[in-house]
Amino acid sequence: EVRLVESGGGLVQPGGSLRLSCAASGFTFGRYWMSWVRQAPGKGLEWVANIRHDGNDENYVDSVWGRFTVSRDNAKNSLYLQMNSLRAEDTALYYCARVLDAYDYCDYWGQGTLVTVSS
Amino acid sequence: EIVLTQSPVTLSLSPGERATLPCRASQSVSNHLAWYQQKPGQAPRLLIYDTSNRATGVPARFSGSGSGTDFTLTISSLEPEDFAVYYCQHRRTFGQGTRLDIK
Repeated sequence: EVRLVESGGGLVQPGGSLRLSCAASGFTFGRYWMSWVRQAPGKGLEWVANIRHDGNDENYVDSVWGRFTVSRDNAKNSLYLQMNSLRAEDTALYYCARVLDAYDYCDYWGQGTLVTVSS
Repeated sequence: EIVLTQSPVTLSLSPGERATLPCRASQSVSNHLAWYQQKPGQAPRLLIYDTSNRATGVPARFSGSGSGTDFTLTISSLEPEDFAVYYCQHRRTFGQGTRLDIK
């Protein structure tokens, strides 16, 4: 059974940092692109970043470029999102998701971890 | 940048009725469009990818069609568990969602 479990969310002040983690199991993690998708409270879905199966290619939405870094450790079946210079508008539930194919479809999702940026 | 427009924002139907949910792209996306279902408090679930391919375990009452800029998710006969929010997606862009409510 494919399982994705996010952790690391919490309350942080504007300008602060957080590192999210996603533990994967039930599939060969190192064969798949992975994505982070977020959802602000009461709002829709926003794609944030993705990373190639070998970690050698990353992509970001413009609004997080230069502030967020996606990484992975295939030996630990884990995905990460380092978030720096956090802003109020980064407040959201952050999901990690397995990417199905080249068109960024996400076939498995975790339950999300909540990040709240507030003073 | 491609924009995906889902209208209406809310659709009210009764169980047993047929639902048609549209998604329009600002430019052609060929057939590279997916649909997700999200229920309150749950993560999104992939229903359809590449316009018309059902994801694993998705009931046959869900179908997708379209090409280019106009796409439709159809639910042939609504079950109580189908009332949820539905999003379309092309690559890294999501539509704003259509909420399917019980009438």
